[in-house]
Amino acid sequence: QKEVEQDPGPLSVPEGAIVSLNCTYSNSAFQYFMWYRQYSRKGPELLMYTYSSGNKEDGRFTAQVDKSSKYISLFIRDSQPSDSATYLCASGPGSARQLTFGSGTQLTVLP
Amino acid sequence: KAGVTQTPRYLIKTRGQQVTLSCSPISGHRSVSWYQQTPGQGLQFLFEYFSETQRNKGNFPGRFSGRQFSNSRSEMNVSTLELGDSALYLCASSLTGPSYGYTFGSGTRLTVV
Repeated sequence: QKEVEQDPGPLSVPEGAIVSLNCTYSNSAFQYFMWYRQYSRKGPELLMYTYSSGNKEDGRFTAQVDKSSKYISLFIRDSQPSDSATYLCASGPGSARQLTFGSGTQLTVLP
Repeated sequence: KAGVTQTPRYLIKTRGQQVTLSCSPISGHRSVSWYQQTPGQGLQFLFEYFSETQRNKGNFPGRFSGRQFSNSRSEMNVSTLELGDSALYLCASSLTGPSYGYTFGSGTRLTVV
């Protein structure tokens, strides 16, 4: 079993829809949680960062972490065609340890 | 400011050869990590260097090695290439470590034929 499991998709939604992307993790030592967005032929870019449980909002994006259920979510409101990309969740246990990534969910927002 | 620069962008090598990939991190970033990305396995951690020392290592065979120079630039080397080494190799840098997230380069696409 992978330490971070992610819904593989692909996911296709109409413009303006609310998108929900989800991951689960198994390592109880994981403390920080991130979402990366990767466009085709590009490296991943950091989208959201949260530490421990709770919600974090940044514009149209909201990241949620529930450590009791080991569940990580990213919500995108008013989705735009420019949001079409692969979204990767990532998590790690401590300041000097590597991130473990989910396999990614490919999202297409249709105009 | 300049981002993470990886060279070359594309590479085609023959099975059995060796290859060296280069990464220049963001100025001031002392931690450099390397990941292999494939459609089947996703992003898999190779190793991390901090101040010229390998601090963490993933589960890859010894054919995969790396180093970091005093200016924080890093190289990774793959010897005796196999077809399965075909992948996108991503370098990521951070100030002191991955806890606040990485900045990734655009990667080197390696094809082994």
